[in-house]
Amino acid sequence: DIQMTQSPSPLSASVGDRVIITCQASQDINNDLNWYQQKPGKAPKLLIYDVSNLETGVPSRFSGSRSGTDFTLTISSLQPEDIATYYCQQYDSAPFTFGPGTTVDLK
Amino acid sequence: QVQLQESGPGLVKPSETLSLSCSVSGASISRYYWTWIRQPPGKGLEWIGYVYYSGSTHYNPSLKSRVTMSVDTSKNQFSLKLDSVTAADTAVYYCVRWKSGSYFDSWGQGTLVTVSS
Repeated sequence: DIQMTQSPSPLSASVGDRVIITCQASQDINNDLNWYQQKPGKAPKLLIYDVSNLETGVPSRFSGSRSGTDFTLTISSLQPEDIATYYCQQYDSAPFTFGPGTTVDLK
Repeated sequence: QVQLQESGPGLVKPSETLSLSCSVSGASISRYYWTWIRQPPGKGLEWIGYVYYSGSTHYNPSLKSRVTMSVDTSKNQFSLKLDSVTAADTAVYYCVRWKSGSYFDSWGQGTLVTVSS
């Protein structure tokens, strides 16, 4: 199975901060990487697919990028409604696997 | 807009079978792949497997011996059966659409299934 790791966790930041979450795959997964946001008691929500494509309706302050097997999710200016847990997920090969999650809270 | 809704017992006894259904509205079940993902309380997400309307399936090897997924096109529903459950199977179970062979874009609200005698 492909292992996904995330850092940091947790992450404390202030409103307006630039937040960067990193996800690393245990092997090359090409661009087969998605990001999800989950708030307490809610189902995960797709944010970004295929590394950098913003899902419809997702604010433009979210962005994604890749460098080799390292992937990043960036929130350019943290908003109170962004407080959540963020998961990366690979679909390069089954079983599809998620990272352990990064919880973002307010400092 | 696609909507998914899980249904099934919230409490299952150890060694019995967990059975869940997912009703899909706003999309034809015959056009996409459908998956089940679970999340133990306070933990991360685990992909269980997917099913296509043709009956084609692919399961997580960690659960493969106990999982069965199927589709009922007449009802626009798909289902999950997990045999011989233990407390480790206690989780919120989500039914999810897998789109374009890539991302999970539409999720049910999730249903908590507790395994306990």
